[in-house]
Amino acid sequence: EPEVTQTPSHQVTQMGQEVILRCVPISNHLYFYWYRQILGQKVEFLVSFYNNEISEKSEIFDDQFSVERPDGSNFTLKIRSTKLEDSAMYFCASIQTSSVADTQYFGPGTRLTVL
Amino acid sequence: RKEVEQDPGPFNVPEGATVAFNCTYSNSASQSFFWYRQDCRKEPKLLMSVYSSGNEDGRFTAQLNRASQYISLLIRDSKLSDSATYLCVVNPGGSFGNEKLTFGTGTRLTIIP
Repeated sequence: EPEVTQTPSHQVTQMGQEVILRCVPISNHLYFYWYRQILGQKVEFLVSFYNNEISEKSEIFDDQFSVERPDGSNFTLKIRSTKLEDSAMYFCASIQTSSVADTQYFGPGTRLTVL
Repeated sequence: RKEVEQDPGPFNVPEGATVAFNCTYSNSASQSFFWYRQDCRKEPKLLMSVYSSGNEDGRFTAQLNRASQYISLLIRDSKLSDSATYLCVVNPGGSFGNEKLTFGTGTRLTIIP
């Protein structure tokens, strides 16, 4: 069964450093998402991406965040200058169609630890 | 009012018991509804979609009441492998029809042997 993959599984960084989290969505999917989950809290939407542009972003997704689809397979989340409060699990998700009934498939996540 | 509200639990129930989870959502225009399961430090995985007519998948039954903005999940004959956090998830819809999922905080379930 096709799956969403994410690398690295765990990233440790110093406050103020830039990090890039990578995702490979399912190959025939067209819509891509990033979510995050701070330890002990709920999963929160960050950004959605379609046709090479952001279609919606949350209040969390400020100027420190950016997303890119640099080639036909990868989807990246960049945090320009990490803060302690960016420590969380970051999940990538993808979906094939725009139907609200369709299922979002989640990758295994990247655990980001900011020291 | 929270967008999606769930009892956080924990629910500790003996193996074989029936357990019910409830969830309410605030946006009456929400388009679709799901139950996801999340194991410790893992990604959310779809358990089932929820329809107004109610739907069943083996030991799992989900129900949606749009008038009350209420979603439920029933697990019958619970098994040790059902231990997980159950996430109530709502898609509010958007201009593209599928912009984001809104998650509840989850209800933690532990099945006791």
